[in-house]
Amino acid sequence: RKEVEQDPGPFNVPEGATVAFNCTYSNSASQSFFWYRQDCRKEPKLLMSVYSSGNEDGRFTAQLNRASQYISLLIRDSKLSDSATYLCVVNMYQNAGNNRKLIWGLGTSLAVNP
Amino acid sequence: EPEVTQTPSHQVTQMGQEVILRCVPISNHLYFYWYRQILGQKVEFLVSFYNNEISEKSEIFDDQFSVERPDGSNFTLKIRSTKLEDSAMYFCASSVGDSYYGYTFGSGTRLTVV
Repeated sequence: RKEVEQDPGPFNVPEGATVAFNCTYSNSASQSFFWYRQDCRKEPKLLMSVYSSGNEDGRFTAQLNRASQYISLLIRDSKLSDSATYLCVVNMYQNAGNNRKLIWGLGTSLAVNP
Repeated sequence: EPEVTQTPSHQVTQMGQEVILRCVPISNHLYFYWYRQILGQKVEFLVSFYNNEISEKSEIFDDQFSVERPDGSNFTLKIRSTKLEDSAMYFCASSVGDSYYGYTFGSGTRLTVV
């Protein structure tokens, strides 16, 4: 099982649609979770941090299910400007030590169409 | 909003040459990172730096690579004897704490080795 796994998409949705991205992770001891957004040939930008069961920020809702080792990102009322790649990132302990690092998913591509 | 700045934005170099990529992390951040992303591929961790020393490095970060924090503000990545496969976007990132909190990324340096 991959450490962090996402559906690569692409997701093509019309403006105004609701779209959900899913992400699964392998290490049950993972502590913090992030959704980053990356536009083509640009740097990843932090969209949401998830430390407990989830949080909401405007049109964006992130949910965490620790039992299923699953994180989701929901975008409501999608806009053309939401078109980007959405990266699921998990903070994991490595091996048996205290060393934590971020593990990146491959990303899910979203295209919002007029 | 505080930024991580990277220079140059684009560097073209001949195979076998040395390049230095420069980064100015956010001023109160203590942890610094270099990542790279080959076009169309996932974001890959190279190295983390804390307390003036490397705290972790990936398999990619071999003897060809080195990092330095020559003064209180700059954080550099040196690539000796560049190869064609070093062509990628190189992102610098910084964080106030360790990976638990996620990172802020710079806008990247596009390195093209010809």
